[in-house]
Amino acid sequence: AQSVAQPEDQVNVAEGNPLTVKCTYSVSGNPYLFWYVQYPNRGLQFLLKYITGDNLVKGSYGFEAEFNKSQTSFHLKKPSALVSDSALYFCAVRDMGGATNKLIFGTGTLLAVQP
Amino acid sequence: GAGVSQSPSNKVTEKGKDVELRCDPISGHTALYWYRQSLGQGLEFLIYFQGNSAPDKSGLPSDRFSAERTGGSVSTLTIQRTQQEDSAVYLCASSFFFANTGELFFGEGSRLTVL
Repeated sequence: AQSVAQPEDQVNVAEGNPLTVKCTYSVSGNPYLFWYVQYPNRGLQFLLKYITGDNLVKGSYGFEAEFNKSQTSFHLKKPSALVSDSALYFCAVRDMGGATNKLIFGTGTLLAVQP
Repeated sequence: GAGVSQSPSNKVTEKGKDVELRCDPISGHTALYWYRQSLGQGLEFLIYFQGNSAPDKSGLPSDRFSAERTGGSVSTLTIQRTQQEDSAVYLCASSFFFANTGELFFGEGSRLTVL
């Protein structure tokens, strides 16, 4: 069965420092991988996706993510964190080799950026 | 507006009552999803509609939960005989057929509180 794991419930980082939010996945076929962000009392917003091609994917708000097939990881990164980046981040996967089209989400990582 | 619209935004009900949650997807989106977000549980897939195909109901937690999508547009999620453990935020999302973009557009959710 397809799944994603976000091992950190919360990540704390100082403003201006680089940030990483971790995600690992498990699928039977080729993965489609996504990151979404949820600001307080709002719905989820798409940040970026990996389908195929370059392992480094660039997305909204200066975020990027690196697909690593050997480590089955898709970590979210940003070179310099902003206080406004504080939010709940979800990694998600779709198994394109599977029989289902649904998107499976991780449990989320709360990013707290301190000024 | 042009986004996914959900109603009500907040619903408080008594245990044992039935509730209906409505989702109006983005015009032209053929795929519609319902997810449940509980504190500490991340996003739990409930049901997926794609065009005229049979829905993927594999995530519905019990037979008290049902959903329908009329005319390929508006969807209603019904919870019968609500229980306290049904308290959560119910999120609806829509998209073009996944193979085209892979991006889901989420509404702001319906927060259900069962007393």
